[in-house]
Amino acid sequence: DAGVTQSPTHLIKTRGQQVTLRCSPKSGHDTVSWYQQALGQGPQFIFQYYEEEERQRGNFPDRFSGHQFPNYSSELNVNALLLGDSALYLCASSGKISRGGSEKLFFGSGTQLSVL
Amino acid sequence: AQSVTQPDIHITVSEGASLELRCNYSYGATPYLFWYVQSPGQGLQLLLKYFSGDTLVQGIKGFEAEFKRSQSSFNLRKPSVHWSDAAEYFCAVGYQKVTFGTGTKLQVIP
Repeated sequence: DAGVTQSPTHLIKTRGQQVTLRCSPKSGHDTVSWYQQALGQGPQFIFQYYEEEERQRGNFPDRFSGHQFPNYSSELNVNALLLGDSALYLCASSGKISRGGSEKLFFGSGTQLSVL
Repeated sequence: AQSVTQPDIHITVSEGASLELRCNYSYGATPYLFWYVQSPGQGLQLLLKYFSGDTLVQGIKGFEAEFKRSQSSFNLRKPSVHWSDAAEYFCAVGYQKVTFGTGTKLQVIP
């Protein structure tokens, strides 16, 4: 049973560019959350997707957007990259909300984004 | 707004010694509390969680945590630390939208 998988593992971009990160949730999970973890910090909640819609959002600008597909996989898009966007981006999946869900988050290993 | 404070940025303990990592939280209702561990360059692994019931929670790898509502605390403990426990530990609060603390880096010396 595959856990949460993220791609790519590492990415280097320059300021002003756009980036797309991908996440496949753990089998049986339908909810995907994205977190940004800057160096030396704890993860910060970006947003959560369920039933292909953004359900909750943290304190991130509109440059950060996402999408969830019918197979529950998800993408995180960041436009107009800034140096401060350099971080480890973590995807987490959790169980079906409609059944009371699982409050336990399963994390992927993350995508390390460097903006030069 | 929910928040988590981990007052210790870095802790060093000797192998075999006991460990306690501190966590204080702020949450508007009955809190959902978690402890996660992260090894370098890796994602986070859940050690234990508290939602309700017994305030002493047992987790994986021999860890336990105690929920104290009066102190708004959820401290993580282990009676005897192993070298493989060296990692960063995050306390978190929330349901679905989870807020993490800034982490405590644990160093284990022989």
